Amino acid sequence: DAGITQSPRHKVTETGTPVTLRCHQTENHRYMYWYRQDPGHGLRLIHYSYGVKDTDKGEVSDGYSVSRSKTEDFLLTLESATSSQTSVYFCAISETRDRGTGELFFGEGSRLTVL
Amino acid sequence: AQSVTQLDSQVPVFEEAPVELRCNYSSSVSVYLFWYVQYPNQGLQLLLKYLSGSTLVESINGFEAEFNKSQTSFHLRKPSVHISDTAEYFCAVSDRGYSTLTFGKGTMLLVSP
Repeated sequence: DAGITQSPRHKVTETGTPVTLRCHQTENHRYMYWYRQDPGHGLRLIHYSYGVKDTDKGEVSDGYSVSRSKTEDFLLTLESATSSQTSVYFCAISETRDRGTGELFFGEGSRLTVL
Repeated sequence: AQSVTQLDSQVPVFEEAPVELRCNYSSSVSVYLFWYVQYPNQGLQLLLKYLSGSTLVESINGFEAEFNKSQTSFHLRKPSVHISDTAEYFCAVSDRGYSTLTFGKGTMLLVSP
């Protein structure tokens, strides 16, 4: 199994509070991704990173920010959580996006509930 | 832009029956295609992929998928399913690795005895 650790695995918070989810990898992969999974929507990309301090937006980036100060860590922050951000969040990594196999390795997910 | 349509949100089958999970994609360029599987309370893992070459690709646990360019499809099949195949299956597309993966909404395969 790819070495990907997400924390926390479960979190319940209140509307308006800040939340940070952490993804830590031990594979030294260049690309890291944050997805959210919701019933009826499948997986949707929030943000991704293609190197330290290099990030870009996905299709559902509003309300989220990310940071990557080290190769192994990719943080997802909800500055002011809303109930619509209740979801399961998955971190994924890949060795290369361009002309590579395209295979993503996923963490086990972080379940966030915003009351 | 690319997109993926999984035509069935849920597919119930009996053990040892054949199954087909349908996937259609749209893209203006050549693509890479993938099937991922998600077992309960776990992350996704790659089941099989089409990059180039033979249009029929197989997984180690008996699934296969065929890339059909004219019909823009990448349907997943298994001739005889097991209870342990119960999971959610996601089809995904990439424009030859130059973009991030776009996932379909998933098909829940429910295998009963």
